[in-house]
Amino acid sequence: NAGVTQTPKFQVLKTGQSMTLQCAQDMNHEYMSWYRQDPGMGLRLIHYSVGAGITDQGEVPNGYNVSRSTTEDFPLRLLSAAPSQTSVYFCASSYSYSSGNTIYFGEGSWLTVV
Amino acid sequence: TQLLEQSPQFLSIQEGENLTVYCNSSSVFSSLQWYRQEPGEGPVLLVTVVTGGEVKKLKRLTFQFGDARKDSSLHITAAQPGDTGLYLCAGAAYGGATNKLIFGTGTLLAVQP
Repeated sequence: NAGVTQTPKFQVLKTGQSMTLQCAQDMNHEYMSWYRQDPGMGLRLIHYSVGAGITDQGEVPNGYNVSRSTTEDFPLRLLSAAPSQTSVYFCASSYSYSSGNTIYFGEGSWLTVV
Repeated sequence: TQLLEQSPQFLSIQEGENLTVYCNSSSVFSSLQWYRQEPGEGPVLLVTVVTGGEVKKLKRLTFQFGDARKDSSLHITAAQPGDTGLYLCAGAAYGGATNKLIFGTGTLLAVQP
């Protein structure tokens, strides 16, 4: 019953450093996505994938890269961390990429950039 | 850019009181979902409404989708401390082919015993 698993749970980075947030799901879900959550702004979509080998940009993609080499994994890479990327990041997945499917969220990754 | 505005932003009530949370937009959505998020966890889906005017009930929670599919409301009857959390509405873009969601700004509910 792992569902959507994110690592690490907490991370502190220095400005300019790079890092990867890992996301894995064991539900054979087609659709995966990354959101960031900031106070007063809800969750905003960063990148999403409708299947292995296919990714696309969401609402706030700048400064982030993704890849989807397998159905299970969808890592999010911060290329050169900036203080504006301090946020809580959520990975999510759904069985199908079709609109209206139930989306399952991971527990979040708290990132602080100093 | 589609926006979903939620009101109120914060709500602190006593156990047993009723409350309503609103989710409004100028855009039309093909479906709208409500999530509850507890501290340190990801959002968890409560309900999906699809048809304009649709009303769904989940125990003490009543969800309504506006006739024009631009707004929604969540009504909680006889709130309990276990209802405490961040409530988020999220809309799927009308005509959108993928499961991208636009989230509201959230309503933080605290129910005092």
